[in-house]
Amino acid sequence: KQEVTQIPAALSVPEGENLVLNCSFTDSAIYNLQWFRQDPGKGLTSLLLIQSSQREQTSGRLNASLDKSSGRSTLYIAASQPGDSATYLCAVRPGRDDKIIFGKGTRLHILP
Amino acid sequence: SAVISQKPSRDICQRGTSLTIQCQVDSQVTMMFWYRQQPGQSLTLIATANQGSEATYESGFVIDKFPISRPNLTFSTLTVSNMSPEDSSIYLCSVDKKGYNTEAFFGQGTRLTVV
Repeated sequence: KQEVTQIPAALSVPEGENLVLNCSFTDSAIYNLQWFRQDPGKGLTSLLLIQSSQREQTSGRLNASLDKSSGRSTLYIAASQPGDSATYLCAVRPGRDDKIIFGKGTRLHILP
Repeated sequence: SAVISQKPSRDICQRGTSLTIQCQVDSQVTMMFWYRQQPGQSLTLIATANQGSEATYESGFVIDKFPISRPNLTFSTLTVSNMSPEDSSIYLCSVDKKGYNTEAFFGQGTRLTVV
């Protein structure tokens, strides 16, 4: 059974720092992986999607990597800003028609 | 991509009452998903709603408590029935867009507080 783990559960860093959020999954046979952002009390915003055949995806200051063989993905945020403060969720889709499986998220706080 | 409108965005309800949450998608989709997110927790799938058939509920969720409608390919409702304070959560609607990728999109969420 696929399980998704995100460490750390919470993280506080000063503004301007580069940071890495981690996501690990137990079964390397995945279809794709998505990173989401959730502001308090709100829905989820899709940030990046990586197909199983890809190694990384970039959008602005965000870069997501995928290492299927080791069951890991990272979300790199460059030059962090207070507006980046949110919960970041990693989700794995085992197969094209399968439901996604979420990690518990990393709550990020950027200190002004 | 998909744009999902979810209403209401938040509500405060009395225990014993029911609340219906609406989800409208800007394009036709086969399946729509309803999630619950309890305070400080990750998302838990409640059910999958298919147009023209009954929803499929996950373990621990029943139709009497969470009836779902799916009248067409762009709209669904979730009702939280006979509410108690334990039902206080964020409820989220989601769809999968299939193409080159299968990508999940979410509505803005409904923040429910039961008093």
